[in-house]
Amino acid sequence: GAVVSQHPSRVICKSGTSVKIECRSLDFQATTMFWYRQFPKKSLMLMATSNEGSKATYEQGVEKDKFLINHASLTLSTLTVTSAHPEDSSFYICSARAGTGGSYEQYFGPGTRLTVT
Amino acid sequence: ILNVEQSPQSLHVQEGDSTNFTCSFPSSNFYALHWYRWETAKSPEALFVMTLNGDEKKKGRISATLNTKEGYSYLYIKGSQPEDSATYLCASLSGTYKYIFGTGTRLKVLA
Repeated sequence: GAVVSQHPSRVICKSGTSVKIECRSLDFQATTMFWYRQFPKKSLMLMATSNEGSKATYEQGVEKDKFLINHASLTLSTLTVTSAHPEDSSFYICSARAGTGGSYEQYFGPGTRLTVT
Repeated sequence: ILNVEQSPQSLHVQEGDSTNFTCSFPSSNFYALHWYRWETAKSPEALFVMTLNGDEKKKGRISATLNTKEGYSYLYIKGSQPEDSATYLCASLSGTYKYIFGTGTRLKVLA
């Protein structure tokens, strides 16, 4: 149980185009989803937290107009990198949490490698 | 800003060896400490969730301890096997309910 899928696993796009990444909880309802970014040899950095049906909360330094997050249902959140530039090339990974309280356990997708040329 | 440090960054061990690595985290406002096992091209897999000072958790040949007063956790692998090769991540959860991740320890077990 507690499987999270992420699509695509790898994408190459041209500078100036937009890319959408999907994160799905396959066997549970995710009230909260998180989007992380990882640069080479660095730790996972939280970009934003999204709760179903409400606007995402972005971490300091993350441009909300650049990284559009939608969490329209309890099983799907999307991250759209708009007008991508080479510096947006990175590894993006989502996680999902079933509810609040307890140990706040989150379940991860396998990640998306984005390369902007 | 909270910092979570993991050491070593990487290590190679021979099959059958036992090994351990460290996760250091800020001890103030601590809520929970998570350990994950992350194989390439797969999702990070949750190993342990630890909350209380002195906690010890075990899952097969892998175990972990927690010291919240001094802010560290150890992960132990007994009798390492090639399939244990992965990156082991720890993440600290504080009162802000956001995870702060370490950079991970990359383990390679040589057959």
